[in-house]
Amino acid sequence: AQSVAQPEDQVNVAEGNPLTVKCTYSVSGNPYLFWYVQYPNRGLQFLLKYITGDNLVKGSYGFEAEFNKSQTSFHLKKPSALVSDSALYFCAVRDPYNFNKFYFGSGTKLNVKP
Amino acid sequence: GAGVSQSPRYKVAKRGQDVALRCDPISGHVSLFWYQQALGQGPEFLTYFQNEAQLDKSGLPSDRFFAERPEGSVSTLKIQRTQQEDSAVYLCASSLDEGRWEKLFFGSGTQLSVL
Repeated sequence: AQSVAQPEDQVNVAEGNPLTVKCTYSVSGNPYLFWYVQYPNRGLQFLLKYITGDNLVKGSYGFEAEFNKSQTSFHLKKPSALVSDSALYFCAVRDPYNFNKFYFGSGTKLNVKP
Repeated sequence: GAGVSQSPRYKVAKRGQDVALRCDPISGHVSLFWYQQALGQGPEFLTYFQNEAQLDKSGLPSDRFFAERPEGSVSTLKIQRTQQEDSAVYLCASSLDEGRWEKLFFGSGTQLSVL
């Protein structure tokens, strides 16, 4: 079975500081990993995806993610947080044997304080 | 349209009532997905369409849930005889095709409350 885990329900960071939102995955086969962001009363928006061979992935709004195969992690990072980054972040994996299915983590609420 | 549109935005139903939730995907998108998001949880897969064909309905929780996409564009998720445990946000997503790298475009969801 495919799954992702987000160990932190909430992450608090001061504006201007670097941020990390953690995600670990369990996948049999090649991992197709994604990060999505959800603002209040809005649908999920795509941030970035992992493509085989690029361990550091750059995405929208200055976010990037680091793929680590040995640690089975795909942590989301940003060098300098903005208050407007405050939102709910979801890590997701696409089933490599059934592309119909995405499995989402439970989400991490990011709070960026001025 | 510019994005995935879902209606209604909110739906309150009495237990036992039937409801229908609508999704207008991005024009030209082949793939359409329905997800259920319970409070404080990530979205969970319900069903998948490729054009008008429902290729995967393994996530539908019971036979009270039914989805259709008769002309390969607009989709409707119907829940019969609603129960309190059906209360959740129902998200629709579409993608250009079924490729492994394709990202999903989500609607804002329909929040269903069953009293």
